[in-house]
Amino acid sequence: DVKVTQSSRYLVKRTGEKVFLECVQDMDHENMFWYRQDPGLGLRLIYFSYDVKMKEKGDIPEGYSVSREKKERFSLILESASTNQTSMYLCASLRGLVPTDTQYFGPGTRLTVL
Amino acid sequence: QKEVEQDPGPLSVPEGAIVSLNCTYSNSAFQYFMWYRQYSRKGPELLMYTYSSGNKEDGRFTAQVDKSSKYISLFIRDSQPSDSATYLCAMSLYNTDKLIFGTGTRLQVFP
Repeated sequence: DVKVTQSSRYLVKRTGEKVFLECVQDMDHENMFWYRQDPGLGLRLIYFSYDVKMKEKGDIPEGYSVSREKKERFSLILESASTNQTSMYLCASLRGLVPTDTQYFGPGTRLTVL
Repeated sequence: QKEVEQDPGPLSVPEGAIVSLNCTYSNSAFQYFMWYRQYSRKGPELLMYTYSSGNKEDGRFTAQVDKSSKYISLFIRDSQPSDSATYLCAMSLYNTDKLIFGTGTRLQVFP
């Protein structure tokens, strides 16, 4: 069974703080993704990575950066957290291409920025 | 206009009912159509996918794609309280690693 884990289920941070969200997958998948999920807006892609040290911007990259130093780990960084970044953050991984391979999601991190 | 539109619900039905969940889309180049189920406080999990037009059945679930109308559906027969979740449609182009998601429809099946 593929497992995608995220470092925290719930996180509360203050405006201006630097925030790190960690994601780890145990199935040697090449592709990893960060989404945010908001009511009425669904899942929106922030960044994705198709290999170590490679990254591509998604649809809403502003205010975020990412790091992928090892294949199994993909980190999302909020350089200076703002209240409009309060959201559910979901990490996903994928071996190859959809739909032959399945995009597996982690349980999510609910981030509140005060 | 969003690329994928999905009624957010909530949809509340009695146990045993047939449920119909739908999405419309605007990009005629989409080739693969997926349905994800997301339980409360969990990440989405893939339920089923279809390629191009047609139907696909898996147990109590049937996915239907009508490319001419740019409309996809998920039918749940004999719905159970354990089906209560948010259902997200997702679509992609041919051989890609990116998905476009609908906003999700929250379904509640009451005993």
